[in-house]
Parts: sequence; C-alpha cells; structure tokens
Amino acid sequence: LAKTTQPISMDSYEGQEVNITCSHNNIATNDYITWYQQFPSQGPRFIIQGYKTKVTNEVASLFIPADRKSSTLSLPRVSLSDTAVYYCLVGDLHAGNNRKLIWGLGTSLAVNP
Amino acid sequence: NAGVTQTPKFQVLKTGQSMTLQCAQDMNHNSMYWYRQDPGMGLRLIYYSASEGTTDKGEVPNGYNVSRLNKREFSLRLESAAPSQTSVYFCASSETVPLSYEQYFGPGTRLTVT
Repeated sequence: LAKTTQPISMDSYEGQEVNITCSHNNIATNDYITWYQQFPSQGPRFIIQGYKTKVTNEVASLFIPADRKSSTLSLPRVSLSDTAVYYCLVGDLHAGNNRKLIWGLGTSLAVNP
Repeated sequence: NAGVTQTPKFQVLKTGQSMTLQCAQDMNHNSMYWYRQDPGMGLRLIYYSASEGTTDKGEVPNGYNVSRLNKREFSLRLESAAPSQTSVYFCASSETVPLSYEQYFGPGTRLTVT
C-alpha cells in the first residue's frame, strides 16, 4: 500500500520561500502527484499537480525527482495569507484497475510577520 | 457559480438519531465524493459516485449510506449516529473520471454526536 509522509508543521516569515516535501512510496506509476491547500473551516483547494520534473503555475511550483519517491511544493515569497494546511495526494501502485487515492496527513504552515 | 454547497454547516445529534447531509454542485461534474476529516487521520473517502445512479464504497463506508439523486446532488445518510461519527464531512466533485486527482470541495459540515 502506498504511504505518504509529510512534516506535521512548518514555520516561516513573510517574503521567504517555503518548501514542503512529501515522501511517498509504492505510488501509481503513471498517475499525478497532487497538492492541496486548506484554510480553517474550509474544504481543501487544489493547488498544483505534476507527473515528473517541474511544474509551475501562478501559485506554486512542484518538483518531482525521477524516482518519484518524493515531491516538493514550493511557495515563493509567502505572505500571511499562505498560512494553511498543505496536503499531498498520490495514487496507490497496487490498486489494480480501480485507482485508490492516498492523502497525506497534512503540513500546517504558519507564516509570521 | 456557487461550486459545491453543503447543508447544514453544523449539526449536533444524539446517539442513535439519524440525519442526512446534503451536497449539490453546479459545475456539471460527473463524479461526486463524500469524505470525513478527523484530527491525525487526514481525509478518508466514505463513498463516491461516478455518475447519476451509481455509487461505490470508499475506505470507510460502514455506518453510512449515500444517494446520487441526480447529476447535481449527492447525499450522505447516517441511519443511527454513533459518537465515532463525530467528524467534519466534506463533499467534493470532479469533472470526468471517478477518483480524479483534481477535486472541488464544499465548505464542510461539522457533526457532533453525543
């Protein structure tokens, strides 16, 4: 069964770059690695997904090494409004024909002034 | 577009009572999901529906039933609530294939069972 590991919490300051890494093994070979953001009292919100190497959008970058055993979400120049919980989402390698989604337990990011 | 809406926002039940959580989406998505979120456990899939009239069990279906009423609506029913079902419940939807990595979530229902 696929397993994910993320740091429970991280602290940063406004204007810094923040990198959050998720380790994952036994993940589906041909599926995406996806990251979500969740604010208090809200549902998770899709941020970014990739298959390999690097993906960038207006919010974040996602780095995935060739072995796909980890992924790193990079938030450039964070602000107070980036304080949230960040989740990685992968698929299980051994799920057969039916995809099984595996959610990380989340990393609580606190951005300080 | 309202996206995914859920009612109620909060609910307190006594053990043994029943209730239905309602979810609707206005994005014309095919797939819909129900999750529960508990501290230290992350998001766990209860049931999902790939299309109107079809439902499938997720990771933790025991104690729950679902109905995909039409393309827009997907309800979750607790027939006899237990304290272990105290949780935050999220409904989500995705555009096409079931169990998509890109899902759109509602604001959640916070349920307490005493």
